This record gives sequence, C-alpha cells and structure tokens, in this order.
Amino acid sequence: KAGVTQTPRYLIKTRGQQVTLSCSPISGHRSVSWYQQTPGQGLQFLFEYFSETQRNKGNFPGRFSGRQFSNSRSEMNVSTLELGDSALYLCASSQSGQEHTEAFFGQGTRLTVV
Amino acid sequence: DQQVKQNSPSLSVQEGRISILNCDYTNSMFDYFLWYKKYPAEGPTFLISISSIKDKNEDGRFTVFLNKSAKHLSLHIVPSQPGDSAVYFCAATISGGYQKVTFGTGTKLQVIP
Repeated sequence: KAGVTQTPRYLIKTRGQQVTLSCSPISGHRSVSWYQQTPGQGLQFLFEYFSETQRNKGNFPGRFSGRQFSNSRSEMNVSTLELGDSALYLCASSQSGQEHTEAFFGQGTRLTVV
Repeated sequence: DQQVKQNSPSLSVQEGRISILNCDYTNSMFDYFLWYKKYPAEGPTFLISISSIKDKNEDGRFTVFLNKSAKHLSLHIVPSQPGDSAVYFCAATISGGYQKVTFGTGTKLQVIP
C-alpha cells in the first residue's frame, strides 16, 4: 500500500512568486492536513480538509490556501512568497479524520524562497 | 504562543539505558496526546498516544506518562537502541478538533552505542 506522496520534493522560488504543492493521501484516506516545519517552531498546523471541505485552519495569513479534490488529493498554494516562507511543508492523511486517528505523514516538500 | 513545549532540544543516552523525553503543555483543553518520531529526510511517524483519561500507556519499549495536574507528559524508551536516534515530537489535540494537532518543537535524541 503506497504511503503519502508529496510533490515536488524540493522547490526554489523567488520572493513575490507563488507556489503550489501537491499531496496524494493513502488510498482510502479522506482527511488531509498540512503543516509547516521551520527550525525552532516545530510543526505548525496550516489547515485540514475532509471530503473537499476545509474543516480546520491554523493561524496563517490568507496567502496560504488549499483545496481538496474528489479523489482526496490536496494542494496548497502560497502566494506572494516571502523569505520567511522557506520551510518544510508536510502533509498528513488519515482514514476518517476523526479526532483520535493517527495521521500518516509524507516526506514533505522543502521550499526555499530566495 | 507555544502551547506544547519541549524544553530540551537534544538528549544523549547510552545504548541500553533509559531515554526520558519531556513535554509540557499549557492548554487545559487538550485531551489527547501523541508522540511522533522523525528521521532526517522523512516525515514524522506516529509512535504512541495517550488519552487524558489515562495516566500511562505502554507499547513495547515505549511508555508515555501523563500528569494532567502538572500539564506534563513524558516518553520513556527502555532500553534505548541506536535506531531510536531521531527527533521526537510531542503533540496534543482537542476532541472535536479533528486533525488539528499542536506540535512541540522536538527533541533530538542520540543513542550512543
């Protein structure tokens, strides 16, 4: 059974550009969550989607957005990139999205903004 | 505001000894706690969890202890093995919060052979 797949693995963008990251969850999983990991901040929750609906959102500016498709694949978009957006972006999928379900993480996308 | 805190950024332990990783939280609404392990270039993997109705949960070499009054939890690894060397994240969530999980900043464990 394939794990959570994130593409691309590495990305370099220029300040002011926008970027789209993709996450394919484990087959049968309907919940996808996104996290930003930076040194000293740990993993910070961005948002969670379940059945194409955003159910939860973290404390990030509106430049960060996401969506989920009918096949549960999810994308997140960051517009007007800033240097501080350089981070490892992780997505996690879970089967039902129930609160006590442990999530399975992908390897992440390393975004560098220059 | 860091609601889940791991105050030790790193820990070194001899192989075969006990590793104790600590975590404190400030939000009394948290009622479910998890530990994740992360190797370099990989995503975090779930290790063990505990509900707030319990004070201990054990899974093989891993035991998590929860002290609700102190808002403190700890992960014990006995005996520690070199393969346990990784970054360990403590995390917490609120029932009904679905997958909104609040993570600590991580503790890098090094098990010395």
